[in-house]
Amino acid sequence: DAKTTQPNSMESNEEEPVHLPCNHSTISGTDYIHWYRQLPSQGPEYVIHGLTSNVNNRMASLAIAEDRKSSTLILHRATLRDAAVYYCVVCNTGNQFYFGTGTSLTVIP
Amino acid sequence: DAGITQSPRHKVTETGTPVTLRCHQTENHRYMYWYRQDPGHGLRLIHYSYGVKDTDKGEVSDGYSVSRSKTEDFLLTLESATSSQTSVYFCATVGQGGPCGTEAFFGQGTRLTVV
Repeated sequence: DAKTTQPNSMESNEEEPVHLPCNHSTISGTDYIHWYRQLPSQGPEYVIHGLTSNVNNRMASLAIAEDRKSSTLILHRATLRDAAVYYCVVCNTGNQFYFGTGTSLTVIP
Repeated sequence: DAGITQSPRHKVTETGTPVTLRCHQTENHRYMYWYRQDPGHGLRLIHYSYGVKDTDKGEVSDGYSVSRSKTEDFLLTLESATSSQTSVYFCATVGQGGPCGTEAFFGQGTRLTVV
């Protein structure tokens, strides 16, 4: 099963873009890449997902490498409310979501 | 929100006792999942269900069982709780169309302490 690797922590200044990387070198061709974020004492919240092409939504953008072995979550303008733990998740054809250990994002005012 | 309610939200139990956690959803979602979250491990899949009475094991299923007798409820049972099962448990649901192509919704979590 595909595993994901993320940096433990990152910092960003408020109103600047943030690029959160994820490696998933064992991903299969039909596995989806999802991103979720989690605030303290809350359940994870969906951010974005994709298969092969780059994706944009109101919250973020997802850039997927051509070989699909890595991806990057892009927050275009970080706000204090974006401070959270961000999880890179692989969803496989067995209907299972596999979470990485997450990146704790600190946003500096 | 997908109308997911986990109960109880907090529980303290003694080693060796059985414990059942409940996940209730009001969205008629087909897929339901139980995860546990521990420091340094992120979320790990315990069991999941792809329909009524259809369940399968995840990566950390030892010591846990599940049941899904109706669409809206997914129960997680610790047959004989151990201290290693102290954790925060999250339920998740995914709607129709396959779980990977759409978003998952998570409950608020149940904090279980086994003493």
